[in-house]
Amino acid sequence: EIVMTQSPATLSVSPGERATLSCRASQSAASFLAWYQQKPGQAPRLLIHTSSTRATGVPARFSGSGSGTDFTLTINGLQSEDFAVYYCQQYNDWPLTFGGGTKVEIK
Amino acid sequence: EVQLVESGGGLVQPGGSLRLSCAASGFTVSSNYMSWVRQAPGKGLEWVSALYTAGTTYYADSVRGRFTISRDNSKNTLYLQMNSLRAEDTAVYFCARDKGFCANGECYAHNWFDPWGQGTLVTVSS
Repeated sequence: EIVMTQSPATLSVSPGERATLSCRASQSAASFLAWYQQKPGQAPRLLIHTSSTRATGVPARFSGSGSGTDFTLTINGLQSEDFAVYYCQQYNDWPLTFGGGTKVEIK
Repeated sequence: EVQLVESGGGLVQPGGSLRLSCAASGFTVSSNYMSWVRQAPGKGLEWVSALYTAGTTYYADSVRGRFTISRDNSKNTLYLQMNSLRAEDTAVYFCARDKGFCANGECYAHNWFDPWGQGTLVTVSS
């Protein structure tokens, strides 16, 4: 099983600043990596797939990068609606696995 | 509009059974790759099971042999039959769609999920 590790667990950022979230795989996930955003009481929302492709309707301030075992989600110019928990997910191998999440909170 | 609505959650005793439903609208369940993903209270996401268009099923080790994923094409609904429930199965269960892609006459799952339903809470407790 590919274990996904996200860091940091919590990221405190001021509105308008940049947030950089990390996701590391225990073995190669190639570029088969997705990012989701989840707000309290809501279902997860797809942001990025194939490591760097934004899903339909996702603002350009969200960008993804990486391949193999190291991946990054960058949020430029954080807006109030971006404060949430973010999860990465690998789909290179079964079982599909998620990281433990990074909570982006207001500084 | 593509929409998924889960139902069937509730309180069940350890060892009991429950069947979750996921009613889809705006697309055809049998033409998509569908999954169940769960989230224990205050915890992260855990993929549970997938059902492919051709009927192939996949399960997490933690539920294999106890849970069964299926669909009813006439009702455009996905199901998760959960037997021999344990306390550690307590979670919000989400269904999610993967519309896949086709290339050179073959179709494949992406294995990422969009959209998700709102979830249904399953509590296993005596």
